[in-house]
Amino acid sequence: GAGVSQSPSNKVTEKGKDVELRCDPISGHTALYWYRQSLGQGLEFLIYFQGNSAPDKSGLPSDRFSAERTGGSVSTLTIQRTQQEDSAVYLCASSFDDPRGGVLAGLYEQYFGPGTRLTVT
Amino acid sequence: TQLLEQSPQFLSIQEGENLTVYCNSSSVFSSLQWYRQEPGEGPVLLVTVVTGGEVKKLKRLTFQFGDARKDSSLHITAAQPGDTGLYLCAGDGPYSGGSNYKLTFGKGTLLTVNP
Repeated sequence: GAGVSQSPSNKVTEKGKDVELRCDPISGHTALYWYRQSLGQGLEFLIYFQGNSAPDKSGLPSDRFSAERTGGSVSTLTIQRTQQEDSAVYLCASSFDDPRGGVLAGLYEQYFGPGTRLTVT
Repeated sequence: TQLLEQSPQFLSIQEGENLTVYCNSSSVFSSLQWYRQEPGEGPVLLVTVVTGGEVKKLKRLTFQFGDARKDSSLHITAAQPGDTGLYLCAGDGPYSGGSNYKLTFGKGTLLTVNP
């Protein structure tokens, strides 16, 4: 497709279960970002990929959260032993990147997917 | 610490009215972006402002970046129901040295334009 796609669009899971969220970025975009949007909160940065590498994982809330990216394309965000406070919309974005390494976020437009709404019961 | 404060948090107006929403920070940003987000969708970029004092217009929307690059405003003239949505500002930085890939988002202004 032409845009960023995410799946599933909605996920309801029981507390303690693991979940995997998928992001398909725009073809050719080397940078990929995961954000979390909670009710009444702004978007919270989680992790940034440059190619398959994640130079910065500092936004991940706990060690229950992990993400990987393969082939410089698809990314998966995994949440283990989900808790109710994990309930949120998880947004993925992709953009072109600075070939010198790293990216000045304001220079390269980030295109967002529609998000995955995660509900932990 | 909330680096970007947006106000008002909620705004409900009638079609045809003008409005201004604000994005303020004590930090300097190299650039600032405005997004609009509709229910069930991801944010869509409206504009990026880079130079202090810069003014950009997008049809009925006017964006301004403060001289000190710490704040920004979005003014909508003659609002229409199609302008309804969550308006988010996001700053590139603040820098701690080197490249910076993180966008820092405000909590947004939820605008409702009633017909």
